[in-house]
Amino acid sequence: GDSVTQMEGPVTLSEEAFLTINCTYTATGYPSLFWYVQYPGEGLQLLLKATKADDKGSNKGFEATYRKETTSFHLEKGSVQVSDSAVYFCALVSSGSARQLTFGSGTQLTVLP
Amino acid sequence: DAGVIQSPRHEVTEMGQEVTLRCKPISGHNSLFWYRQTMMRGLELLIYFNNNVPIDDSGMPEDRFSAKMPNASFSTLKIQPSEPRDSAVYFCASSLAGGTGELFFGEGSRLTVL
Repeated sequence: GDSVTQMEGPVTLSEEAFLTINCTYTATGYPSLFWYVQYPGEGLQLLLKATKADDKGSNKGFEATYRKETTSFHLEKGSVQVSDSAVYFCALVSSGSARQLTFGSGTQLTVLP
Repeated sequence: DAGVIQSPRHEVTEMGQEVTLRCKPISGHNSLFWYRQTMMRGLELLIYFNNNVPIDDSGMPEDRFSAKMPNASFSTLKIQPSEPRDSAVYFCASSLAGGTGELFFGEGSRLTVL
């Protein structure tokens, strides 16, 4: 079945540091890939997405590129801010009929001033 | 536009009591999902509906849990009787079936069972 593997956290960075959160997946067909972010006390919200190979999703300075050859969708940001402190979830939805999201376990990011 | 609306935001109850969580999906969305989030188990899909019909309830932990969707704009998740291990944040999410699969989440209902 489909699965998503994220790098384990927690991740702690200083403000303005470079961020990478690794995500790899297993799926049949051509899934769509997502990064969701959960700020403290809130629900998950979509950060960015990519629906086909080599697509790059971007939002709020975050980027991720759909790499089919390595089955990866790593999240990157060149300069993190304290306000980026949150839990980040990688997810996929397969191209089958179920259209059900499969989530990774989440990575807690803390950015220190 | 209104997002997914959940109530109550916080619920504290005693073991054995019935708990009902409510969700109003985004208008026009025809898929609805209930998730549970805990520190130990992360985010778990409990059940989802397409066009008000339950499609997969394999994530419902046991018979104490039940979910209904009587119409396109309302769903409930009921726990009866509640137990301390049910303490968690319960999220409702909706999406447009046939779309890209993007889910829109509510802010969650934090349940504490004493």
